[in-house]
Amino acid sequence: DSGVTQTPKHLITATGQRVTLRCSPRSGDLSVYWYQQSLDQGLQFLIQYYNGEERAKGNILERFSAQQFPDLHSELNLSSLELGDSALYFCASSGSGQVGTEAFFGQGTRLTVV
Amino acid sequence: GESVGLHLPTLSVQEGDNSIINCAYSNSASDYFIWYKQESGKGPQFIIDIRSNMDKRQGQRVTVLLNKTVKHLSLQIAATQPGDSAVYFCAENEAGGYNKLIFGAGTRLAVHP
Repeated sequence: DSGVTQTPKHLITATGQRVTLRCSPRSGDLSVYWYQQSLDQGLQFLIQYYNGEERAKGNILERFSAQQFPDLHSELNLSSLELGDSALYFCASSGSGQVGTEAFFGQGTRLTVV
Repeated sequence: GESVGLHLPTLSVQEGDNSIINCAYSNSASDYFIWYKQESGKGPQFIIDIRSNMDKRQGQRVTVLLNKTVKHLSLQIAATQPGDSAVYFCAENEAGGYNKLIFGAGTRLAVHP
C-alpha cells in the first residue's frame, strides 16, 4: 500500500458527461501529480500541484481541470467526455515536489466512457 | 486485474536467470531517472532511481545503468523470480524542473518457472 488513495476505483459514464476523480496523498506529502494511462500511449503526465498551487502542466486537455485543496487532497475534473478519454487515471504524491524525490502512486481510477 | 499496454514489448526469462530491461530516453537535459514496476491492477511502484552524475546504482537484486552519451538506461534484475513479472517503466525528469516525470512505453517481463 503506497498510502495514496484514489476514489472511485471504477467509473462508467456516457459521452458528454462530467466526472470528478479524487486523490488523497500520503500523509505529509505536499505535492500531487495526475497521470493518464491508456493502452496506446502509456503513462502521460497531466498536471502537478504543490501545496495548493499548480506547478507543472503536461498534455492536459482544456476539457480537463484539477485543483488541490487546503487539506492537500486533489480532484481531477473531466468534462465533455469522449470515448477516447477511457483510461486509467493515476494520482501520485511526493514530499516536496522537487526533482529527485520519489513519487508514490495510487491504485488508479479506471474510467470507461460509453 | 487490469491489463496495461497489451502491445508492449515482452521479455521472457526463466526463473533464476538475470533480466535486463532497456530504455531509451528522449531529453539530454534530463538529470534524474527512475524505474517503476507496475503489476496488473496496481499503480506504478518505485524500484530504483539514479541521478545523471552517476552511471551505476545498485539496490537489492536490481542495478540501474545510465549511459548519457547514447541516452540509454537499463535495469538489471538478478535471479529473477515469478514475483518480478510485471510491466517495467523508465521515467525521466528534466533538470531544474519539478517532478514532471516523463514515462517510457514500458516493457513486460514474463518470468517462467
